[in-house]
Amino acid sequence: QQPVQSPQAVILREGEDAVINCSSSKALYSVHWYRQKHGEAPVFLMILLKGGEQKGHEKISASFNEKKQQSSLYLTASQLSYSGTYFCGTENPNDYKLSFGAGTTVTVRA
Amino acid sequence: KAGVTQTPRYLIKTRGQQVTLSCSPISGHRSVSWYQQTPGQGLQFLFEYFSETQRNKGNFPGRFSGRQFSNSRSEMNVSTLELGDSALYLCASSSEGYEQYFGPGTRLTVT
Repeated sequence: QQPVQSPQAVILREGEDAVINCSSSKALYSVHWYRQKHGEAPVFLMILLKGGEQKGHEKISASFNEKKQQSSLYLTASQLSYSGTYFCGTENPNDYKLSFGAGTTVTVRA
Repeated sequence: KAGVTQTPRYLIKTRGQQVTLSCSPISGHRSVSWYQQTPGQGLQFLFEYFSETQRNKGNFPGRFSGRQFSNSRSEMNVSTLELGDSALYLCASSSEGYEQYFGPGTRLTVT
C-alpha cells in the first residue's frame, strides 16, 4: 500500500527550513528517501531501518517513528540544489516490497 | 563504476503491440527492480529480480513480465500495449537491498 506524503508541494527561499512527512497504514521495516530532479533519475538520500539504524550520503536528517509508522525528512537551511521531488519508500516487513509515495515537490528560490 | 543503463531511452508504440525494455545493472549488483512512473501515480513497483529469480511482484496485470539473465541484465516485456501504459519505466539495481541506483529510464509512448 502506497505511503502518504505531505505536503504535496512546498516553496522555500534559500536558507529556510522544511519538513516532509511520510506515513503508512501498515507496519514498516524501513523507510527510504529519494530525490528526483526534473528529467533525471531518482537519487538515494537515506534509509532508516527499524531499530534506529540510518544510512545516507548527504547532509540531511530524517526521523523514523516505528510506533506511528511515520518518517519525516528535514531540509535545513535549504539551498537551490535541494529543489526536486522527494519520494519516500516504505518497506513491508512481510514481503520487503518497496512502495513509494506520490512525492513532494520542493522548490527553493534565491 | 559505470551506472545503470537502460535501452532504448525513448520508444513509441501502437496499441496492441508489445515492447521489450532492457536494463544493465551496475557491475556486481545482483538485484534489479523495475518501476513505472507516471505523473498521476508516482513510482509504482513492478517487480524485482535477484539472481535470475523473481523475488517480488507489484500489482500489475500479467501483460507485464520480466526476466533476469545470468549476468544480472534484466528485460521487461509488456504485451498488448494500452494507452495507459505510456510512462517512464525505471530500473534500479542494488547490491545489499538497501540503496538503489536508478537508471535514466525508458520513456514509452503508446499511441
